[in-house]
Amino acid sequence: GESVGLHLPTLSVQEGDNSIINCAYSNSASDYFIWYKQESGKGPQFIIDIRSNMDKRQGQRVTVLLNKTVKHLSLQIAATQPGDSAVYFCAEGGTGANNLFFGTGTRLTVIP
Amino acid sequence: ETGVTQSPTHLIKTRGQQVTLRCSSQSGHNTVSWYQQALGQGPQFIFQYYREEENGRGNFPPRFSGLQFPNYSSELNVNALELDDSALYLCASSLAGGGSGNTIYFGEGSWLTVV
Repeated sequence: GESVGLHLPTLSVQEGDNSIINCAYSNSASDYFIWYKQESGKGPQFIIDIRSNMDKRQGQRVTVLLNKTVKHLSLQIAATQPGDSAVYFCAEGGTGANNLFFGTGTRLTVIP
Repeated sequence: ETGVTQSPTHLIKTRGQQVTLRCSSQSGHNTVSWYQQALGQGPQFIFQYYREEENGRGNFPPRFSGLQFPNYSSELNVNALELDDSALYLCASSLAGGGSGNTIYFGEGSWLTVV
């Protein structure tokens, strides 16, 4: 079955540094990947998504990279700020799929 | 703000009771999905509703049921509550099933504690 896993459960970075959060997926049929940010006591907040026909997509201070060869997804956050502290989830879905599969998340802590 | 609203935000129920959670989707979104998020875990898909019909279901027993109304709002009902049902229940709305480019937006969730 599908699995979405994360390499590291926790990540601590200094304010102003860049952060990289990694994610592995196992379903080669997945064609849509999303990163969500979840702050304590809140619902997941959409950050950025990417389709399988792309290998890179940039947003405001964030970049998602997709490597289909090794089934790896990463989220890069530039100039990390204290407000970026949260749990980050990657999720995968397929064409016409009704649901997203989530990993267990990575907790990012930004040190002032 | 995603425009997805859920109620109630917190509730406590006794084992064996029934609970109804409610969700209003983002304006223009015709698809509502429900997810269960246990503490320290990622969300798990319960089911999805599209045009008032169930349109996909995850690995949850039949005592988890739902409804979608003509205005696209939705309810999640859980019967015969068990202690393991304690979790954050998330509603997500999207256009036409989500995925492959149709962004899926989540509400803030309903925290259910079963005692």
